[in-house]
Amino acid sequence: NAGVMQNPRHLVRRRGQEARLRCSPMKGHSHVYWYRQLPEEGLKFMVYLQKENIIDESGMPKERFSAEFPKEGPSILRIQQVVRGDSAAYFCASSPARDQPQHFGDGTRLSIL
Amino acid sequence: GQQVMQIPQYQHVQEGEDFTTYCNSSTTLSNIQWYKQRPGGHPVFLIQLVKSGEVKKQKRLTFQFGEAKKNSSLHITATQTTDVGTYFCAVINAGNNRKLIWGLGTSLAVNP
Repeated sequence: NAGVMQNPRHLVRRRGQEARLRCSPMKGHSHVYWYRQLPEEGLKFMVYLQKENIIDESGMPKERFSAEFPKEGPSILRIQQVVRGDSAAYFCASSPARDQPQHFGDGTRLSIL
Repeated sequence: GQQVMQIPQYQHVQEGEDFTTYCNSSTTLSNIQWYKQRPGGHPVFLIQLVKSGEVKKQKRLTFQFGEAKKNSSLHITATQTTDVGTYFCAVINAGNNRKLIWGLGTSLAVNP
């Protein structure tokens, strides 16, 4: 019974490149959440998606960041033209319904050179 | 907007001492969830509280939901080094907006 799967675990990009982070929710979960965490800091909510729909993107930067959760396949968090400040751990979580406990993946550690 | 305060931000204890973290909301809550994140790890769900005055226990951990459903506490009895990590509360307000709001967490360090 696989949990939330995120890949890659570590991603290194140079400034100006694109970063694509993938998240496959737990089986039976149709609600996906993306969070960002800087070292020694709390979780910052970015976006909440439910199959093919963005429900809440109030935490997403207005530029360069986008997220999708297609009918088939994993959810993708895409960061275009990365900058040094994008370096962080990005966690994906899923739940079976909106206010149910969330199950987290191991995260993707993004480093920008 | 809704405020969620967790105190203290950091706590350093000697192994065997007790530890308590508090989660306070400016509005009445529908429910509250507690998570633990070990250093270098990901948040892991611990428990959800729904009822006013509810108390739940998991071994040495005791979770309480306030009578007014505006605050909650997590108490660890006789801490062990395995308790090290950051404890987050996440709340859902009692209104129509079912958005989960996260506290900033309490980081616990335990000296052996």
